[in-house]
Amino acid sequence: AQTVTQSQPEMSVQEAETVTLSCTYDTSESDYYLFWYKQPPSRQMILVIRQEAYKQQNATENRFSVNFQKAAKSFSLKISDSQLGDAAMYFCAREGAQKLVFGQGTRLTINP
Amino acid sequence: DAMVIQNPRYQVTQFGKPVTLSCSQTLNHNVMYWYQQKSSQAPKLLFHYYDKDFNNEADTPDNFQSRRPNTSFCFLDIRSPGLGDAAMYLCATSRDGQGPQYFGPGTRLTVL
Repeated sequence: AQTVTQSQPEMSVQEAETVTLSCTYDTSESDYYLFWYKQPPSRQMILVIRQEAYKQQNATENRFSVNFQKAAKSFSLKISDSQLGDAAMYFCAREGAQKLVFGQGTRLTINP
Repeated sequence: DAMVIQNPRYQVTQFGKPVTLSCSQTLNHNVMYWYQQKSSQAPKLLFHYYDKDFNNEADTPDNFQSRRPNTSFCFLDIRSPGLGDAAMYLCATSRDGQGPQYFGPGTRLTVL
């Protein structure tokens, strides 16, 4: 089975600091999409950032950026200048066959 | 704003009493998905529609059915809810099955 693995069930960071969430995945495709989604407690799943596998340049969205290593099948999310509103469950996902394969999630806590 | 809407946000039903959850979208996307999400877990795909083509996941119980009468609406029917079906049910859409999925706020189902 093609899987997505998030090895950190929980992470915490001090407000204003930087944190990196890890994700590795398995695929036999050469072109695909990767995503990070954020799900705050009891709130909606929101797309944070996307990466197309054929693009070598790492995606960036304001304070959020990724480190995409295609050969290593690694797709980590870096959050800079962490804010209290960043506290959430973060899911890494890979697109394939019209579906998303999700990782297990990483619960991120922001310490004031 | 274009969006994915789910109704109701909270649904309480009795064991064995059929229930229908609703999803609508104003994004005009071709693909609509239904997920089941239990506490602190990743969403689990139940099935999806590409236009009118229904795609069931192999491990989705027969108790779960879906209808998509038009592009904008999709319904999840649970024919005989059991206690184990208590969960958050998420609807999502995608333009063409590639690229990101956009999620609704979810319906939290309680089974008494």
